[in-house]
Amino acid sequence: NAGVTQTPKFQVLKTGQSMTLQCAQDMNHNSMYWYRQDPGMGLRLIYYSASEGTTDKGEVPNGYNVSRLNKREFSLRLESAAPSQTSVYFCASSEGSSGVLLATDTQYFGPGTRLTVL
Amino acid sequence: QKEVEQNSGPLSVPEGAIASLNCTYSDRGSQSFFWYRQYSGKSPELIMSIYSNGDKEDGRFTAQLNKASQYVSLLIRDSQPSDSATYLCAVNYNDMRFGAGTRLTVKP
Repeated sequence: NAGVTQTPKFQVLKTGQSMTLQCAQDMNHNSMYWYRQDPGMGLRLIYYSASEGTTDKGEVPNGYNVSRLNKREFSLRLESAAPSQTSVYFCASSEGSSGVLLATDTQYFGPGTRLTVL
Repeated sequence: QKEVEQNSGPLSVPEGAIASLNCTYSDRGSQSFFWYRQYSGKSPELIMSIYSNGDKEDGRFTAQLNKASQYVSLLIRDSQPSDSATYLCAVNYNDMRFGAGTRLTVKP
């Protein structure tokens, strides 16, 4: 039981390049999330998916797009990377419910992707 | 104004002492409160969740919630060097909002 997996673990991009961060969970969870973590700022929500087929913006969505490919997979795309997007990106999942985020849900985090944009 | 505030620390306690970590939040409508532990270079892992006013104990950890004061705390009894980490407070509004974390060091 792998939990939440993320690829790649590390990535260096040049300004303007694009890339997709991959996330998969094997816990049969309904809800999935993408966060970024910057020093001194804690985790900030980029996008979330309450259930398969739905996605919504979080606190800091600008410059990102997401795809909920199926129940297991939730990808994050940077179309034109900028140095301000240098960060550690975490994917998380929670049990959730049909189309609804549950306030009591525990979120389980993947190992993170360390992205540097030069 | 930050929605979830934590003292960034570092908080240093001797082994065997009680470590007290504090968190305040701004939205009175918040329903759920979580403490996550994050070791350096690793992902956050859940320690405790609390939903009602009062105390909730789990082993050496006690979470305390006071909704009137918009305050949640985590006490770690008999602190061990392995407890040295950053502790993140998270509060659920319509989505989860995290504090910046408090770095705890437990000295042998």
